[in-house]
Amino acid sequence: DIQMTQSPSTLSASVGDRVTITCRASQSISNWLAWYQQKPGKAPRLLIYKASSLQSGVPSRFSGSGSGTEFTLTISSLQPDDFATYYCQQYNSYSGTFGPGTKVEIK
Amino acid sequence: QVQLVQSGTEVKKPGASVKLSCKASGYSFTSYYMHWVRQAPGQGLEWMGIINPSAGGTSYVQKFQGRVTMTRDTSTSTVYMELSSLRSEDTAVYYCARDQAEVVVNPIYYFDSWGQGTLVTVSS
Repeated sequence: DIQMTQSPSTLSASVGDRVTITCRASQSISNWLAWYQQKPGKAPRLLIYKASSLQSGVPSRFSGSGSGTEFTLTISSLQPDDFATYYCQQYNSYSGTFGPGTKVEIK
Repeated sequence: QVQLVQSGTEVKKPGASVKLSCKASGYSFTSYYMHWVRQAPGQGLEWMGIINPSAGGTSYVQKFQGRVTMTRDTSTSTVYMELSSLRSEDTAVYYCARDQAEVVVNPIYYFDSWGQGTLVTVSS
């Protein structure tokens, strides 16, 4: 099974900061990676798919990059609405394994 | 717009079964695969399995094989997930989530729309 890890587990940042979250897969998944945002008590929201494709309606300050085993999610200028937990998910192997999540907190 | 509306909170005793529902609207129900994902309190997301609402075919994570059954009712655009032999570790919020792929192709296994979630508490 493919295992996903994320770093950091928690990130403290201020409004306006550039934020980067890293996701690693235990084996190559090409670019079959999605990113989700989840706020407390809410369902996850798809942000990015195929490593770098922005889902419709998602602000352009979100971007994704990477391929193979290492991926990043970048928020170019953190906004108050962006404080949440972010999950990566691989979908290379007829399954949907998620990373453990990165919580973005207010500094 | 796509809407997935799930059934309400459940409280079950260990050993019991629970059957959750997810009613779809705003799109052609039989055209898109549906998944179930769960999240234990304070924990991450765990994919459980997939159903093809058109043909009814299913695939489950091995961990849940023998305990989970996913079904659908095309007349009401509803998918169901039944989990049996419940234990305390099954306490979680259960989400239905739509695959971005249409059933005429293979599923992609990422999710562009989610239900609001159903909390299942298993406690004696």
